[in-house]
Amino acid sequence: LAKTTQPISMDSYEGQEVNITCSHNNIATNDYITWYQQFPSQGPRFIIQGYKTKVTNEVASLFIPADRKSSTLSLPRVSLSDTAVYYCLVGGPGNFNKFYFGSGTKLNVKP
Amino acid sequence: DADVTQTPRNRITKTGKRIMLECSQTKGHDRMYWYRQDPGLGLRLIYYSFDVKDINKGEISDGYSVSRQAQAKFSLSLESAIPNQTALYFCATSDDRAEGNIQYFGAGTRLSVL
Repeated sequence: LAKTTQPISMDSYEGQEVNITCSHNNIATNDYITWYQQFPSQGPRFIIQGYKTKVTNEVASLFIPADRKSSTLSLPRVSLSDTAVYYCLVGGPGNFNKFYFGSGTKLNVKP
Repeated sequence: DADVTQTPRNRITKTGKRIMLECSQTKGHDRMYWYRQDPGLGLRLIYYSFDVKDINKGEISDGYSVSRQAQAKFSLSLESAIPNQTALYFCATSDDRAEGNIQYFGAGTRLSVL
């Protein structure tokens, strides 16, 4: 199973673009890359998922290079309400039951 | 996610008591999961179920048991609660028809064992 490595914490200011990079050197061919957001005392919430190249939705963008050994979650123009923990998970058919939620990245958005 | 409901939201119990945490979902998903989260840490998988007849142990199943009463219901039991089981517990579901296995989480149950 591909473990992931991401920064423990990041600081940003309101209105800035935030990029959180996740390393997953052992990603398997069938694995997807999924990001979740978690606020204190709430369940994680799905943000975005991708397999390769770039994916964009109304909340974020996900950039995946050709070798897929890393990925970058991009949050445009963050606000105070984006202060949360962000988890990067890697997995797919056959190993999804072993999804590993590490400690995530604690994003602190300042006014 | 309101489609995944956990009860109770908060529970205080004493060491040695048996308690049950319940999870129900209206998403029509076959896969259900129970996770535990300790302060400042990520989530750890306790048990998961692919369908009503399928139950599997996760990373930290000791001291816990589960019951999948129906497609929509998945309960977690602590047979004899101990203080180090004090944690935040989350139930999640996912669609077996989706390759990416996106999981949808309930609001959580905060359990304190005194």
